[in-house]
Amino acid sequence: DIVMTQTPLSLSVTPGQPASISCKSSQSLLHSDGKTYLYWYLQKPGQSPQLLIYEVSNRFSGVPDRFSGSGSGTDFTLKISRVEAEDVGVYYCMQSIQLPPITFGQGTRLEIK
Amino acid sequence: EVQLVESGGGLVQPGGSLRLSCAASGFTFSSYSMNWVRQAPGKGLEWVSYISSSSSTIYYADSVKGRFTISRDNAKNSLYLQMNSLRDEDTAVYYCARDQDAFDIWGQGTMVTVSS
Repeated sequence: DIVMTQTPLSLSVTPGQPASISCKSSQSLLHSDGKTYLYWYLQKPGQSPQLLIYEVSNRFSGVPDRFSGSGSGTDFTLKISRVEAEDVGVYYCMQSIQLPPITFGQGTRLEIK
Repeated sequence: EVQLVESGGGLVQPGGSLRLSCAASGFTFSSYSMNWVRQAPGKGLEWVSYISSSSSTIYYADSVKGRFTISRDNAKNSLYLQMNSLRDEDTAVYYCARDQDAFDIWGQGTMVTVSS
């Protein structure tokens, strides 16, 4: 199974400041079809998860441009350029290059200072 | 509006069975693969099962293999999860999610509690 490791597991950020979350996979997520099967989700308090970023760096419909994704191979990063209060919640990375199983990172909890 | 609505959760004793449903609307359900994902109380996300659009390909997590069965009825725009031999550790919110490689649409979840 591909293990997804996120760091940090929690962070507290002042509004307007940047935030960064790392996700490392135990195997490369680059497929022979040229796609990298790495995704980012946000689960706001009391809500279902929502897709933020697909294939490393593509923002999903309606996602603000303060969110960006980068990385390649086994190392990936989600960045928020200026954190807002509505960004609180738990962020998860996910891989789907190899199934079964699809695997998620442990989650990173973002809170506002 | 594109929507997924789960139902069928509840309280069940260990060893019991439950059938979850996921009703899809606002999109051509038969064109999409689907997944079940669960979240134990206070824990992270755990993928449970996958089914392709035509039901020709099905996968399970090792933790539920042999006990859970995923299925779909494209004529009814519905996804199902039959859960047998339930254990305490199956207690979780169960989400259905549309699959476009990314899980782009999620339902609101249905709670399953396994307890005596």
